[in-house]
Amino acid sequence: EVQLVESGGGLVQPGGSLRLSCAASGFTFSSYWMSWVRQAPGKGLEWVANIKQDGSEKYYVDSVRGRFTISRDNAKNSLYLQMNSLRAEDTAVYYCARPLTRGWVWDAFDIWGQGTMVTVSS
Amino acid sequence: EIVLTQSPGTLSLSPGERATLSCRAGQSVSGSYLAWYRQKPGQAPRLLIYGASSRATGIPDRFSGSGSGTDFTLTISRLEPEDFAVYYCQQYGSPYTFGQGTKLEIK
Repeated sequence: EVQLVESGGGLVQPGGSLRLSCAASGFTFSSYWMSWVRQAPGKGLEWVANIKQDGSEKYYVDSVRGRFTISRDNAKNSLYLQMNSLRAEDTAVYYCARPLTRGWVWDAFDIWGQGTMVTVSS
Repeated sequence: EIVLTQSPGTLSLSPGERATLSCRAGQSVSGSYLAWYRQKPGQAPRLLIYGASSRATGIPDRFSGSGSGTDFTLTISRLEPEDFAVYYCQQYGSPYTFGQGTKLEIK
């Protein structure tokens, strides 16, 4: 079964850091670009970042560039999101997502994890 | 970035009725790289339509997508109870953007 499972969410103070993980299974992880997408409570979806198969290219939404770092470990079939200098507006459910087509940098997401909640509050 | 505006914000219909959801882009979406998702409460989004009109794997044929350029439509021909949810459009150019969502509620 193709599956993505996120972990690492929790409560963190403003200015703090958190590292999210996403474990992939059931497909050739190293063949796909991968993304993080977030959803603030009661709000819509926002793409956060994506990373190329070998980690050599990364793209970020403007609001997190310089604070968040996306990375991956293909040997462990895992995707990560290091979040620093966290703000209240980063509070959201964070999903990892796989694009529909192997090798495409920008594509619809056909596989989503269940999400992990990040709350930034004092 | 391409701004997507969905309408209506909320749509109230009964099971068995036809639903028409709209997604308008602030500039032309290249290659019809437009997708639709359904999100039920407490769940991750599920891909319904990609390439503006292609149904994703396992999606019933009561779901159809159409449009090109800046105007796109998701049509649900006969609403089932599980279709009452929030729907998002997404353009997958560079960078990704999503619409703000349409809530489909039971009348």
